[in-house]
Amino acid sequence: EVQLLESGGGLVQPGRSLRLSCSSSGFNFAGYALSWARQAPGRGLEWLGFIRTETYGGTEYAASVEGRFTISRDDSKGIAYLQMDSLRSEDTGVYFCAREIHAATTTWYYDLWGRGTLVTVSS
Amino acid sequence: SSELIQDPAVSVALGQTVRITCQGDSLRSYYVSWYQQKPGQAPLVVIYGKNIRPSGIPDRFSGSSSGNTASLTITGAQAEDEADYYCNSRDNNGNHYVFGPGTKVIVL
Repeated sequence: EVQLLESGGGLVQPGRSLRLSCSSSGFNFAGYALSWARQAPGRGLEWLGFIRTETYGGTEYAASVEGRFTISRDDSKGIAYLQMDSLRSEDTGVYFCAREIHAATTTWYYDLWGRGTLVTVSS
Repeated sequence: SSELIQDPAVSVALGQTVRITCQGDSLRSYYVSWYQQKPGQAPLVVIYGKNIRPSGIPDRFSGSSSGNTASLTITGAQAEDEADYYCNSRDNNGNHYVFGPGTKVIVL
């Protein structure tokens, strides 16, 4: 079955770190860019960043997390990671990973999402 | 704050037509993709590009774009269409992706 599955969420104290994983199955993980997004309780979706394929390389981050969050990937394992440092209470939410499809330079979409993992930042 | 603007909520009578809009300067250069999200579920893409529906999405969903505004139209809304709808595109500088704040569609 083609799917993504996030893991690694939980309760963490402010200022601490947490690493989330996005495990893939059923498709050639190495051939796709991956994005991370989150959703605070009762709020909308927030794009956090993405990682390109090895061929194109590189990452991009939203201003709200740049310098604190790092996205990486291990294509041999079919897993993407979101390393979150210096966590704040406002980082609380459900974190999703999503597979990107680039149909054209001006056209892309996220065709496959995980179910999300809950991160709670609280003392 | 999001660089894409959406109305917070719209209501539609069962079987009628509703249009959801997404405004932003970047939309003059980039297409949006539209996502449906129901409570406790992951988002689901319903429209991307120039009005392209992924496999399995009912044809009552359609998209259009003009200038700085993209629209998602549900023609003949069904009870199961009640959900939050988000647009996604680039920010005004074209450097990052961004989601709109979302529109809650209420089917009466």
